[in-house]
Amino acid sequence: DAGVTQSPTHLIKTRGQHVTLRCSPISGHKSVSWYQQVLGQGPQFIFQYYEKEERGRGNFPDRFSARQFPNYSSELNVNALLLGDSALYLCASSLDGGRADTQYFGPGTRLTVL
Amino acid sequence: AQSVTQLDSQVPVFEEAPVELRCNYSSSVSVYLFWYVQYPNQGLQLLLKYLSGSTLVKGINGFEAEFNKSQTSFHLRKPSVHISDTAEYFCAVSDFQGAQKLVFGQGTRLTINP
Repeated sequence: DAGVTQSPTHLIKTRGQHVTLRCSPISGHKSVSWYQQVLGQGPQFIFQYYEKEERGRGNFPDRFSARQFPNYSSELNVNALLLGDSALYLCASSLDGGRADTQYFGPGTRLTVL
Repeated sequence: AQSVTQLDSQVPVFEEAPVELRCNYSSSVSVYLFWYVQYPNQGLQLLLKYLSGSTLVKGINGFEAEFNKSQTSFHLRKPSVHISDTAEYFCAVSDFQGAQKLVFGQGTRLTINP
């Protein structure tokens, strides 16, 4: 079975631009979460979606938004990019989004903001 | 709020030597604990998790971890490491405030020397 897939792999943008990152969960998984990993740090939680509804949001500004589609894939959007948004963006999927449920991570999208 | 502290940012060891990567957590509720590994330019892969029951948890690739409630620790161990174990290791605690959210430590870079 295919794991979590993310696109694109790498992305270079300039300050002020908008970016959309995409994620396809493991087949049968209904929950998708997004994390930001800045170089040298652990991942930080951005959003969780379950059955197309937002379940939780981390401490990120409103420039960050996301949605989940009927096929459970997800998009993360970031507006008005800042240099500090440069990071590896990880998507994770899980079966039912419960606290004990294992999250499976994709390879990430490396975003560079110039 | 829950938090995780990984006590060593870097751990160099020789091949076939034992290793312990230390993790302490802070939580006001019952904990679910995880160890993930991140190989260069890849996403995170689950090594093992503690939900309940036996405090000694066995994972993939010969790793194991011991949950110690009194010490609030969840240290990762391997009796004999290989060059292929060179990677970044992250300890995480599952925070459930309406969302499935992993709170990660800063990571420990394990370097295996021949």
